[in-house]
Amino acid sequence: QSALTQPPSASGSPGQSVTISCTGTNSDIGGYNYVSWYQQHPGKAPKLMIYEVSKRPSGVPDRFSGSKSGNTASLTVSGLQAEDEADYYCSSYAGSNNLVFGTGTTVTVL
Amino acid sequence: VQLVESGGGLVKPGESLRLSCAVSGLSFYPAWMSWVRQAPGRGLEWVGLIKSKGGGGTTDLAAPVKGRFVISRDDSKNTLFLQMNSLKAEDTGVYYCAHYADYYGTMHSWGQGTPVTVSS
Repeated sequence: QSALTQPPSASGSPGQSVTISCTGTNSDIGGYNYVSWYQQHPGKAPKLMIYEVSKRPSGVPDRFSGSKSGNTASLTVSGLQAEDEADYYCSSYAGSNNLVFGTGTTVTVL
Repeated sequence: VQLVESGGGLVKPGESLRLSCAVSGLSFYPAWMSWVRQAPGRGLEWVGLIKSKGGGGTTDLAAPVKGRFVISRDDSKNTLFLQMNSLKAEDTGVYYCAHYADYYGTMHSWGQGTPVTVSS
């Protein structure tokens, strides 16, 4: 199972929006609505930000939103804040109890 | 919910190591649990999962570790294990345990991670 493809980096100024893509195949993203997004600050454990493509866990700001079209999922962070600077990883169910992560995107707040 | 990993350390190639993950704050018996690792400076990699005893208690492992790693659980002690055998340099990284919130890999709760270094 190959890793999902994400851009290595993305950036935006405070208050702007940034969108991160996550591209897979029909066997993972395209086949299931179980895409999650995780935020990871340096030296910390990942934190769930989005699950089932577009749902937000309790406590996650509504500035974070997710979507999917075909084999590509996207995470949008609106109204960028300094604390949003982190690495972001997508993941997708890939059938037969397998899970695959994305390659990761570093978001920089300019 | 709290997940606390332990057991990481420095080992030589070919040696074995057993990681533990102590879980509190959730009902462990019905929980599906997983291990995720992260090589230095690299991304997250799913290692595998173990279903609840009620779900069959079976495990699924990622291809790179299949045949070398074993995931098990002790429901009486609310503890998850990862037995790592025939370790290779490429197994070096931080190992996280995580709780599956559903059957499809949504991981709401994570431990802080335990570092494993495989080097001669």
